[in-house]
Amino acid sequence: KNEVEQSPQNLTAQEGEFITINCSYSVGISALHWLQQHPGGGIVSLFMLSSGKKKHGRLIATINIQEKHSSLHITASHPRDSAVYICAVPSSNTGNQFYFGTGTSLTVIP
Amino acid sequence: EAGVTQSPTHLIKTRGQQATLRCSPISGHTSVYWYQQALGLGLQFLLWYDEGEERNRGNFPPRFSGRQFPNYSSELNVNALELEDSALYLCASSLWGTYNQPQHFGDGTRLSIL
Repeated sequence: KNEVEQSPQNLTAQEGEFITINCSYSVGISALHWLQQHPGGGIVSLFMLSSGKKKHGRLIATINIQEKHSSLHITASHPRDSAVYICAVPSSNTGNQFYFGTGTSLTVIP
Repeated sequence: EAGVTQSPTHLIKTRGQQATLRCSPISGHTSVYWYQQALGLGLQFLLWYDEGEERNRGNFPPRFSGRQFPNYSSELNVNALELEDSALYLCASSLWGTYNQPQHFGDGTRLSIL
């Protein structure tokens, strides 16, 4: 069993749609990271959160520590949002080792 | 502010050779992380350096090694290269090595083994 599970693996949406990507984890954590990876490999850190909700522009991230679950939402999706979104959890039990979800590949069609 | 820089961008080697990848963290960051992303696979944690010392390593054989220099830059060395070492190697840095610091990623080095 993977320490971090993401769903869905692939997602295709029409421009303007509301998108949700889910992440469940099994290790003990104090913070969870959402990353965005564009074609070509560059990775950008979108959010780091340990409770509640964070919002940045059209992106919203939520986390429920008790249920070990986080969601990334994109409102009014746009083709430039097309990327792979990765959930990452640093495990405080294993000396700062990060566990990564396999990523959700999002394609937004104009 | 300059971001995390990695060199080279691409590296082509043959089986059995040795590869050296380099990373310069954001100024002021003392922690450097190395990750491997093989084609079709997710990110895998390789190594974590903080204040010049190796703090943790992932589940990789000893032929993957590295070091962090006094200026906090880092290099990753891969000896006795194998075909399955072909991957994108990403470096990230953070202010210090705790799990509640955001990581800033470089653009990666794409290593191809022929």
